[in-house]
Amino acid sequence: EPEVTQTPSHQVTQMGQEVILRCVPISNHLYFYWYRQILGQKVEFLVSFYNNEISEKSEIFDDQFSVERPDGSNFTLKIRSTKLEDSAMYFCASSEMGSGRPGLSYEQYFGPGTRLTVT
Amino acid sequence: AQSVTQLDSQVPVFEEAPVELRCNYSSSVSVYLFWYVQYPNQGLQLLLKYLSGSTLVKGINGFEAEFNKSQTSFHLRKPSVHISDTAEYFCAVRTYSSASKIIFGSGTRLSIRP
Repeated sequence: EPEVTQTPSHQVTQMGQEVILRCVPISNHLYFYWYRQILGQKVEFLVSFYNNEISEKSEIFDDQFSVERPDGSNFTLKIRSTKLEDSAMYFCASSEMGSGRPGLSYEQYFGPGTRLTVT
Repeated sequence: AQSVTQLDSQVPVFEEAPVELRCNYSSSVSVYLFWYVQYPNQGLQLLLKYLSGSTLVKGINGFEAEFNKSQTSFHLRKPSVHISDTAEYFCAVRTYSSASKIIFGSGTRLSIRP
């Protein structure tokens, strides 16, 4: 069964450094997402991406964050200058399409996550 | 805006006992409803979803949930739990109008005692 993969599984970085989290969505999916989960807290939406553009972002997704689909398979989240509070589990997800029609909702498939530790 | 409330942060139960994990949501528009499970050190897996139609939905691993529009609830149930059900369970919503964002509750940790 196709699945979303993420690398690395665990990333340790020093405060102020740039990190890139990588995701390979399911191949025929068109919508891509990043979520994060700070330890002990709820899963929070960061950003969604479609047709090489950000389609929606949360207030968490400030100027230090960026997303990119550099080729036909990868989807990346870059944090330019990490802060201690960026330490979290970051989940990538993908779906075949979004849903604007009642009664239809295409499932978002989640990757296993990357645990980011900022020291 | 939408919000999801999971009333219990932890639910301990004995093996083979029934369990109910509670979820209430708030939204001014119609929503889709989901339950996700997160096993230790793993990602999020969809247990079940309510899109429309029958208010009782069945998911994987013997779980089911009932949508109650008047009470804005979507409680998750299983008649007999197993040790392997030990995990964190997240209730979530997504509006029709949003093509993207899922809003999660804070999660309920289900721990099964032998």
